This record gives sequence, C-alpha cells and structure tokens, in this order.
Amino acid sequence: GENVGLHLPTLSVQEGDNSIINCAYSNSASDYFIWYKQESGKGPQFIIDIRSNMDKRQGQRVTVLLNKTVKHLSLQIAATQPGDSAVYFCAENMGGGATNKLIFGTGTLLAVQP
Amino acid sequence: DAGITQSPRYKITETGRQVTLMCHQTWSHSYMFWYRQDLGHGLRLIYYSAAADITDKGEVPDGYVVSRSKTENFPLTLESATRSQTSVYFCASSEVGGNTEAFFGQGTRLTVV
Repeated sequence: GENVGLHLPTLSVQEGDNSIINCAYSNSASDYFIWYKQESGKGPQFIIDIRSNMDKRQGQRVTVLLNKTVKHLSLQIAATQPGDSAVYFCAENMGGGATNKLIFGTGTLLAVQP
Repeated sequence: DAGITQSPRYKITETGRQVTLMCHQTWSHSYMFWYRQDLGHGLRLIYYSAAADITDKGEVPDGYVVSRSKTENFPLTLESATRSQTSVYFCASSEVGGNTEAFFGQGTRLTVV
C-alpha cells in the first residue's frame, strides 16, 4: 500500500498505554470536525466527529476534544492496541453548515509497540 | 454490494495522455469528493460535488476536470497527465447537507511516466 509515513509526524506508544494525537485546524469559522484512521493500502475510515457547539465527545475507546479558542483538536485513544497502528487525520468542514467541504490535515502516524 | 467503488485500482499512463478515474456509489449520497494523497501533504481536495450537475473546486483543481451527470457517478479526468499528478486518488461521498462524515473508496494508484 501507499507508504504515507515517511514525512509524517510519528507518535510511538506502548501497547496498553493511552495515545493522544493532536491537530491544529485553520478556519475559525469551521463548525464540524472529524477524525479518520487510515491503514496501509486502504481508504480513510471514520472514527469520530464533533460539532463546534461541543468541546468533548466520547466513543468506544476514543475521545475527541475541541478547543476553539486555540483552534486545536485532539484524539485520545484509551488502552492502545496493535490494531490501532495507522495514520490518523483530522478534517474540518470549511464550507459552513450547509455545505460539506472537508479539508484534511497532514496526518500523524501512530506506531504501537508490543 | 452497497458502497463506494473506484476503478481502476492501479493505472500507469504516459505524460500528455488523457486518463479518467471512475467513482461509483450506491448510497444515493448527494455529495461526492475527489482527493489526492501524496507524501507530506496528506489528503488534498481536488473537486467536490453537492449534487448532480453541481461541482466546485477544492484546494488543488488545476489539471483536472470532473462531471456529475448522475448522482451515483463522479469521474475525474486528467486532460493531459503530468508526472506531478502521480499520486493515490481517493473518491468519497457523504449525505445531503453539511457537517456529515464522508465515506471513502479504496483508492486508485496512478503513475504518470
């Protein structure tokens, strides 16, 4: 598959630890944000989303935090597993609420060490 | 099977040739997108479409043409391929309206020689 890891920021964690992946977004008017996971050779897969009227949202083993003051988004993965190894992207909707124009960040490679 | 499919999965073409990448979705989603993915750049939006016959430019539209005559199809054409267009191309779709997740295809790896 496509090796997108060569120039990406990399987070290396031990299996069982918690992971925190960060993202700075660009548009203060963006009101919707998504985290995607991309495994080697595959298309991105939806993990979790959050709207701008929230500052935290939880899913299964994942939590997304939104800080609109500093335009920062983070993804927390609890009890990281080898299957979590992938590239993680944040995306923001820069089209406003009525239009879906999803712009992605450059990604972070999560490497889980057994 | 329901979903979003891209074809071909792999393509090698020569500089200057026209090439079309196909994308088909069975969900009747209103929105469709084309992204390219390159080392160090993540996913960059080329074009997107809010509905049939409505298309709009993304971040990197130069050298590409799209059409959307039917809701389920969103072909991407490189009119005269260049080496800089060597990339992995992803198609995606989402439901009507803003603020909804996009579902991605498996990608097309295009090499321009």
